[in-house]
Amino acid sequence: GEDVEQSLFLSVREGDSSVINCTYTDSSSTYLYWYKQEPGAGLQLLTYIFSNMDMKQDQRLTVLLNKKDKHLSLRIADTQTGDSAIYFCAESPLWVADGSYQLTFGKGTKLSVIP
Amino acid sequence: NAGVTQTPKFRILKIGQSMTLQCTQDMNHNYMYWYRQDPGMGLKLIYYSVGAGITDKGEVPNGYNVSRSTTEDFPLRLELAAPSQTSVYFCASSYYRTANTGELFFGEGSRLTVL
Repeated sequence: GEDVEQSLFLSVREGDSSVINCTYTDSSSTYLYWYKQEPGAGLQLLTYIFSNMDMKQDQRLTVLLNKKDKHLSLRIADTQTGDSAIYFCAESPLWVADGSYQLTFGKGTKLSVIP
Repeated sequence: NAGVTQTPKFRILKIGQSMTLQCTQDMNHNYMYWYRQDPGMGLKLIYYSVGAGITDKGEVPNGYNVSRSTTEDFPLRLELAAPSQTSVYFCASSYYRTANTGELFFGEGSRLTVL
């Protein structure tokens, strides 16, 4: 089955860039996602990328995908204290017959931003 | 706009007790999901539903039951609670995946402790 791995902790100084890494194992075409969980809250979708893309940029967020190594990264430019949260990498098969989103989540990376 | 609402937010159960976690969404989503999140772990899918009257097992269904009598509600039932069911439970909903954004809309979670 699918597996998603990511490091558990990352600490950066305010204003620096943060890079959160993830590896996945699904060999078929897939969607890859980054979700953010703030303390005491549910998860919220940040961005997603399809496995035939190399990069996606959205304001301060840049997603890079290395298909050969099955490695996904999320870069947050000019990291702010409000970016402190847990970031989950997740993947989903391209096709699920019943139309549901059956996401496989990593364990989450806790980002701490030092003022 | 309430989104996905879960109740209760916190609950302590004794071993062997039963309870129901409630989940309601007001976005007219056909798809609803229950996940559990254990400390330091990713989310694991318990059950999901593709529409009223239809439910299916996820990765970790043992010890749980669900029903889906309406589009809005998707309660999760714990029968004979065990310490292994101590976790944070998240309900989520989504559109049909033709939109291909992978966006699950999450509730704020229900923290359950079984003693």
